[in-house]
Amino acid sequence: GESVGLHLPTLSVQEGDNSIINCAYSNSASDYFIWYKQESGKGPQFIIDIRSNMDKRQGQRVTVLLNKTVKHLSLQIAATQPGDSAVYFCAENTGFQKLVFGTGTRLLVSP
Amino acid sequence: DTEVTQTPKHLVMGMTNKKSLKCEQHMGHRAMYWYKQKAKKPPELMFVYSYEKLSINESVPSRFSPECPNSSLLNLHLHALQPEDSALYLCASSQNVAANYGYTFGSGTRLTVV
Repeated sequence: GESVGLHLPTLSVQEGDNSIINCAYSNSASDYFIWYKQESGKGPQFIIDIRSNMDKRQGQRVTVLLNKTVKHLSLQIAATQPGDSAVYFCAENTGFQKLVFGTGTRLLVSP
Repeated sequence: DTEVTQTPKHLVMGMTNKKSLKCEQHMGHRAMYWYKQKAKKPPELMFVYSYEKLSINESVPSRFSPECPNSSLLNLHLHALQPEDSALYLCASSQNVAANYGYTFGSGTRLTVV
C-alpha cells in the first residue's frame, strides 16, 4: 500500500550543527506535505509545509525541500539547538481526507 | 484562538468502564479528526468528521464511538476497552477536508486501560 517512510530513525548532532532529516513517500498523487515536531508527552507541532508545485520553502531556521522526481522530502534545521531535540514526522495529504504520517526520526542535540 | 484543546490530559480506566474524551477548537475549522498514537509510532488516523458528519471510519472497533455535537466539539466515547487500547489519543482540526492545509493538533489524552 501507499506509505510514507524515513531513512534514519535516530539522528544525533552537536549544538550549532545543521541537521537534515529525510523522508521518502510513495504516493505520487500527494500534493501537500507537512513536517511536525513532537516532544515527549505532547501532540505534533506544525513546523513547515510545502505544496507539490514548489521544491523549496524556508521558514525560521528551517527549510523543506521536495524532490518529486524521486519522491523525497527533507527538513533542514540550521544551527540546531538543544530545544530542537524531539521526534520529527513528515506527513502527506493523500487527497482522500487523510493525513498520513511517516515513521518518525528522533533528533538528539548534544550541548 | 489557534489551539485544539483536549481533556482530560490523562485517563486511567478499567475494562468495564465507560469514559469520554473531549476535543474543542474555536478556529472555525469544519474538519476534525481522531488519531491514535502508540509509543514510538506515528499517529494513525481513526475518524474524520466533515461539517459535523462522519466521513471516514478507518475500521475502528465499535468500542470506540465518535460524536461531533457541533462544529467546535468532538468527543470519543470509550466502552469495554482492552489494555492494548492504551495509547495517546490525538484530536486535530483543519479548515475543511478539501483545503489541504492548516492541520492543528491538540496535546492529546494519555489513556491507560487496566
